[in-house]
Amino acid sequence: SQQGEEDPQALSIQEGENATMNCSYKTSINNLQWYRQNSGRGLVHLILIRSNEREKHSGRLRVTLDTSKKSSSLLITASRAADTASYFCATPEGPRGGNQFYFGTGTSLTVIP
Amino acid sequence: GAGVSQTPSNKVTEKGKYVELRCDPISGHTALYWYRQSLGQGPEFLIYFQGTGAADDSGLPNDRFFAVRPEGSVSTLKIQRTERGDSAVYLCASSSLGLAGGSQETQYFGPGTRLLVL
Repeated sequence: SQQGEEDPQALSIQEGENATMNCSYKTSINNLQWYRQNSGRGLVHLILIRSNEREKHSGRLRVTLDTSKKSSSLLITASRAADTASYFCATPEGPRGGNQFYFGTGTSLTVIP
Repeated sequence: GAGVSQTPSNKVTEKGKYVELRCDPISGHTALYWYRQSLGQGPEFLIYFQGTGAADDSGLPNDRFFAVRPEGSVSTLKIQRTERGDSAVYLCASSSLGLAGGSQETQYFGPGTRLLVL
């Protein structure tokens, strides 16, 4: 079953614009991670935010976490054509917070040059 | 150092055949995960190894699927009597668990094996 659900499913923007995608999850978590996937192959870890954090930055990435709403957002600023990919949120679930990872269905981002 | 590698990159087989998919994790990573990803979907958890043992195999869809990691490094996902519905990309990931255990650590993914069952 899927724990996280991303919104929107697809997003198309012009190069230089900002891209925002959202993730909702169902159960309590101790961290949430965002991953990127090109061409349906291996995923690349982008950023991890812990449950006691509300916002985190990494380069052009900004992630927020609202545990009361069970939601997270990923903002990519000043987008580039190379940012075109699918983006997934992932949450751990298990007795110690992570024997399994649940991924959402992903947001497909297209950045038009 | 080298990342997670998976072989083969692509596998085409006929319905009813047996296949093995291999994963070489990052050296020293104790945790290893297998996922399956269908077109347009996110990765779906299959099984998690901590060392040589399967700590959680609750994601395996049925008894046709089995995975081993005999020496705590390389893992093999085995699918018996393949069905067309098994067609997907099979992803492997590894991570180095911290003292807190669990999934506090980043998972590093391999490029996947694209399985097509005809």
